[in-house]
Amino acid sequence: GQQVMQIPQYQHVQEGEDFTTYCNSSTTLSNIQWYKQRPGGHPVFLIQLVKSGEVKKQKRLTFQFGEAKKNSSLHITATQTTDVGTYFCAGRGGSYIPTFGRGTSLIVHP
Amino acid sequence: DAGVIQSPRHEVTEMGQEVTLRCKPISGHDYLFWYRQTMMRGLELLIYFNNNVPIDDSGMPEDRFSAKMPNASFSTLKIQPSEPRDSAVYFCASSGGQVYTEAFFGQGTRLTVV
Repeated sequence: GQQVMQIPQYQHVQEGEDFTTYCNSSTTLSNIQWYKQRPGGHPVFLIQLVKSGEVKKQKRLTFQFGEAKKNSSLHITATQTTDVGTYFCAGRGGSYIPTFGRGTSLIVHP
Repeated sequence: DAGVIQSPRHEVTEMGQEVTLRCKPISGHDYLFWYRQTMMRGLELLIYFNNNVPIDDSGMPEDRFSAKMPNASFSTLKIQPSEPRDSAVYFCASSGGQVYTEAFFGQGTRLTVV
């Protein structure tokens, strides 16, 4: 079945440093979504990417979808303590339901 | 809209007892999902419904787990009998429309089986 791998599992950064998490699929995706889960909270939808090579920005967050539609990345510029949480990608292949990656936990040290 | 509502928020039960988790999806959403989240396995899809009909329950770990959706505004996930390894956070999520856009998650139920 479809597998979505996400790296790294954890990332410690100093406040102000940049952060990137990567998502790779074993199959071509029709779209990919990103979610954020704050500690003790629930996953919250951030964005969806559909087109090959698509790049979307939300303030300090930049999302990319690979040309082959098998990988994606989330980059945060100048992290803040409010960025703390786990970031999940969820890739949708042939099934209606996307497959979630294991997530990357971001820890920001002030 | 109040979003996806789950109850209870926390549940502590003894091994062997029956546990029922409840979910009210967002009104108008025709897809409902049950997920389980643990440190070891991450976020796992257990089962999902479309228009109250179970579509895929391949993620349900064992026969001890069952889920129902008697109407568009209510779903339950039951574990009977419960075991310590069932301890996890269980999320319900819903989405709407023919094109999957995003899933709205509830606050989750933290289950502890002792």
